Amino acid sequence: EPEVTQTPSHQVTQMGQEVILRCVPISNHLYFYWYRQILGQKVEFLVSFYNNEISEKSEIFDDQFSVERPDGSNFTLKIRSTKLEDSAMYFCASRAYTDTQYFGPGTRLTVL
Amino acid sequence: GEDVEQSLFLSVREGDSSVINCTYTDSSSTYLYWYKQEPGAGLQLLTYIFSNMDMKQDQRLTVLLNKKDKHLSLRIADTQTGDSAIYFCAESFDTGRRALTFGSGTRLQVQP
Repeated sequence: EPEVTQTPSHQVTQMGQEVILRCVPISNHLYFYWYRQILGQKVEFLVSFYNNEISEKSEIFDDQFSVERPDGSNFTLKIRSTKLEDSAMYFCASRAYTDTQYFGPGTRLTVL
Repeated sequence: GEDVEQSLFLSVREGDSSVINCTYTDSSSTYLYWYKQEPGAGLQLLTYIFSNMDMKQDQRLTVLLNKKDKHLSLRIADTQTGDSAIYFCAESFDTGRRALTFGSGTRLQVQP
């Protein structure tokens, strides 16, 4: 069964450094999402992406964040200058024309 | 605004039925979902229901939707130790975004 994959599974970085989290959505899907889950808290929507542009973003998704689909398979989330409060699990999701979003296993980001 | 609430913890004995409850505030919710998260893992879609339905059954899972009270429940029949996980209720709307709004999750503990 096709699945969403994410790399790395765990990323440790120093405060102020840039990180890129990578996702490979399911191949025939057209809509892509990033969510995050701070430890012990709710899963929160960050951004949605369709047709090579951002469809919508939450207030969390400020200028420090960007997304890109650099080729036909990858979908990336970049954080330019990480802060301690960016430490979280980041989930990528994708969907086709149906409304069912399929999630990847997540990348745990630890900012020291 | 959108808000989804769940109780935090449920403990049941193996073989019993589990009922996990969720309430939501926005009556324009179109789709309601249940996701399962096992320790250290991603979000696995269990089932979903459209807002024009009252009930959906899928093997051991039964979803009940009470639109008047904005209440969603997930019943797991014959609960097994492998069902121990966090269960998230989520909603989305009939907009281009379709981003999910999650509840805080209910931790289900199944006692042997």
